[in-house]
Amino acid sequence: EPEVTQTPSHQVTQMGQEVILRCVPISNHLYFYWYRQILGQKVEFLVSFYNNEISEKSEIFDDQFSVERPDGSNFTLKIRSTKLEDSAMYFCASSEVGDRHNEQFFGPGTRLTVL
Amino acid sequence: AQSVTQLGSHVSVSEGALVLLRCNYSSSVPPYLFWYVQYPNQGLQLLLKYTTGATLVKGINGFEAEFKKSETSFHLTKPSAHMSDAAEYFCAVSDWGSQGNLIFGKGTKLSVKP
Repeated sequence: EPEVTQTPSHQVTQMGQEVILRCVPISNHLYFYWYRQILGQKVEFLVSFYNNEISEKSEIFDDQFSVERPDGSNFTLKIRSTKLEDSAMYFCASSEVGDRHNEQFFGPGTRLTVL
Repeated sequence: AQSVTQLGSHVSVSEGALVLLRCNYSSSVPPYLFWYVQYPNQGLQLLLKYTTGATLVKGINGFEAEFKKSETSFHLTKPSAHMSDAAEYFCAVSDWGSQGNLIFGKGTKLSVKP
């Protein structure tokens, strides 16, 4: 069964460093998402991406964040200068279409720890 | 803004007992409603969803949920818990005017005792 994969599973970085989190969505999906979950808090929407551009983003997704689909398979989230409060589990998701009721398929997450 | 509340961060039941996980949403206009499950070291997996039509929705693994507009609720139930149901369960909504991004509750961790 096709699945969304994410690498690495755990990333440790120093404050101020850049990190890139990688995701491989399901191959025929067209819409891609990033969510994050700070420990003990809700899963929060960050950004959605379609046709090589951002469709929607939340207030969390400020200038420190960027997304890219560098090739036909990868979807990346870059944090330019990490802060302590960026420590969280980051989930990638993809869906066939961007309709509100369409199922999003989630990856297992990358745990980011900023020291 | 839309919000989702899941009562109880941790629920513990005995094997064979009824599972009831509660979810309430805030909007007066019903959104689309979802339940996701997360097993350890895995991604979020869709259990079931409500969009329109029948308010009692059946999902995978014997779970079902009922949309009650008057109570702004979408509680998840399973008549008889199995050890393999131990996981974290997330209620989520997709709001009117959004392009599909999900608003999640805090999650409820379900433990099943033998």
